[in-house]
Amino acid sequence: GENVEQHPSTLSVQEGDSAVIKCTYSDSASNYFPWYKQELGKRPQLIIDIRSNVGEKKDQRIAVTLNKTAKHFSLHITETQPEDSAVYFCAASKASGGSYIPTFGRGTSLIVHP
Amino acid sequence: SQTIHQWPATLVQPVGSPLSLECTVEGTSNPNLYWYRQAAGRGLQLLFYSVGIGQISSEVPQNLSASRPQDRQFILSSKKLLLSDSGFYLCAWSVWGQAEKLFFGSGTQLSVL
Repeated sequence: GENVEQHPSTLSVQEGDSAVIKCTYSDSASNYFPWYKQELGKRPQLIIDIRSNVGEKKDQRIAVTLNKTAKHFSLHITETQPEDSAVYFCAASKASGGSYIPTFGRGTSLIVHP
Repeated sequence: SQTIHQWPATLVQPVGSPLSLECTVEGTSNPNLYWYRQAAGRGLQLLFYSVGIGQISSEVPQNLSASRPQDRQFILSSKKLLLSDSGFYLCAWSVWGQAEKLFFGSGTQLSVL
């Protein structure tokens, strides 16, 4: 089955700095890579995703890159703000019988210091 | 619009007691449904998923079970809880045919004492 490794487990930055979270996956058939943000005590919410036919995707201060050959993808947050503090999960998935079953990384706790 | 309801929000149960967590989705038909458990430092662990009524796939063998008695209802159960069952349980759904995006419920914090 798929295996997703996520690093670092904890990331502490100063407000305004950039933050990068990296994930690797094992199944070359995986073709969809979402990122979820979970604020303290709340549900995970999808913040950005990328498909295997795209190398990079941006949404304001957030960007995700994908290297299919190396089987790794990364989340980049620029100009970090205190409200970016949360746990971020990466995932890898592929279609299987009408559904996608994502395999999640263990999460990165991002702390943005004002 | 679609919404997902999960209850209870918090539950404290003694070891050996039964468990029933319920999740319902509104505003969509034939959703894919999922149960995840979140333990500290272990991320999101998939427990069960369902692509239709009565169709349950188990990812992790344990003393938990799941049932889908109706199209938009997903139930997580246990006959006898263990201490190791403590954790944050999340129900999620996705649209059949656009199944890659998950929408999570608000979760249940289960403490087994």
